[in-house]
Parts: sequence; structure tokens; C-alpha cells
Amino acid sequence: SAVISQKPSRDICQRGTSLTIQCQVDSQVTMMFWYRQQPGQSLTLIATANQGSEATYESGFVIDKFPISRPNLTFSTLTVSNMSPEDSSIYLCSVADGVLGNQPQHFGDGTRLSIL
Amino acid sequence: DAKTTQPPSMDCAEGRAANLPCNHSTISGNEYVYWYRQIHSQGPQYIIHGLKNNETNEMASLIITEDRKSSTLILPHATLRDTAVYYCIVYTDKLIFGTGTRLQVFP
Repeated sequence: SAVISQKPSRDICQRGTSLTIQCQVDSQVTMMFWYRQQPGQSLTLIATANQGSEATYESGFVIDKFPISRPNLTFSTLTVSNMSPEDSSIYLCSVADGVLGNQPQHFGDGTRLSIL
Repeated sequence: DAKTTQPPSMDCAEGRAANLPCNHSTISGNEYVYWYRQIHSQGPQYIIHGLKNNETNEMASLIITEDRKSSTLILPHATLRDTAVYYCIVYTDKLIFGTGTRLQVFP
């Protein structure tokens, strides 16, 4: 399966600032996704990162807060904007290749973000 | 999206088989059943998936009932390293996680 690297692996940020998280895959993939995992909770899908077009956001997530880029088939970024303590979470990148449904998604180990 | 129901927690003795149940009574004919697990501080790990037939790989077996309304993930010889939260997911065009089953393997 694809090897997924996220940077940074963790960070501590001040409220009101923004942080960009990078996701790099070692092979070209069709689909890239961003998830959030709040403390003690399950994973929540933020958006699907589409190459060459705007990301598709899930209910409750907006582009102004979580802008996403995907310039090619191996790389994506998620920015967490104007951060508040409620944004303290693990942010995970996930990828899948081929036909959705019969191809598993694989996950990186995430970025642990704490907001002071 | 089809909803899944899993017990919140289970225990299993090391070396024994761990059988994790999942109900998905509203599953549609073209929706796959996926299992993932998340060990503390790591990203979710793919285990296995299936559509209608039972499946087996090096990690686990997946048993899907004939009516596809439920399934069971079997870890044949659980080890302490299998302690994790296990997620059963019905996959449409997105992987949506529920609350999962917290499996504790004890010595």
C-alpha cells in the first residue's frame, strides 16, 4: 500500500494563527481525503481533495476555515485557519486508488495539533 | 449512508480468537463492508473488506451473513498488539467512521 507522510507530525500553535499541514504520498493516487479526530472521538471526514479543482467539503466544514490544495496526484495540503482551542485535534490524510468501494483507503499517522 | 452498530467494548484472552460483530441492516446491494482498526496514537489501519463472500487475509477473516445485514471480524489468535479500536464501515463513496469497538486483549 501507499506510504503516506504528513508534516508536521505535531505542533503547538497560538490562537488566531493558521497552520498548513502537508500530505505526501510515495505513489500517484486517485483520491485524497482529510479527516479530523478530536480528543477521545472517532474520525470525521473534512473534505475530499480533488486534483485541479476545489475540494468537496462535508457538512459542517467550510473552505474559509479549512482551505485545501491538491496540485498533483501525490501531494495535498490542509490549512487550519484562524485557530481556536476547539481546533485542537489530530488531522489525518487518507488516500485511495482505483475504483472507490473496492479499493481500501490508507491513512497516515496524522498531525497532532494543540492550540493555546 | 448505511449505519453500522457495534458493541462499545470487548475483551479477549491472548491466543484466543476474537470475534467482533457488526450489524448493518440497511446495507445496499453494492455497498462493501470494511474493517479498520486504530491503535493508540496511530492512523487507522485497513484490515479487510468484502461484498458478499467471506474473505480471509493474513490479518483476519470476515464473515458476512447471507442477507448481508451483519458481519463478524475474526482475529484467529489475538495478541496484546491487537488491542485497539475496531471500526466496521459500510462504504459507499466515502469512508465514514462510527464509534467502533474497543478490543482489549489480556494476558
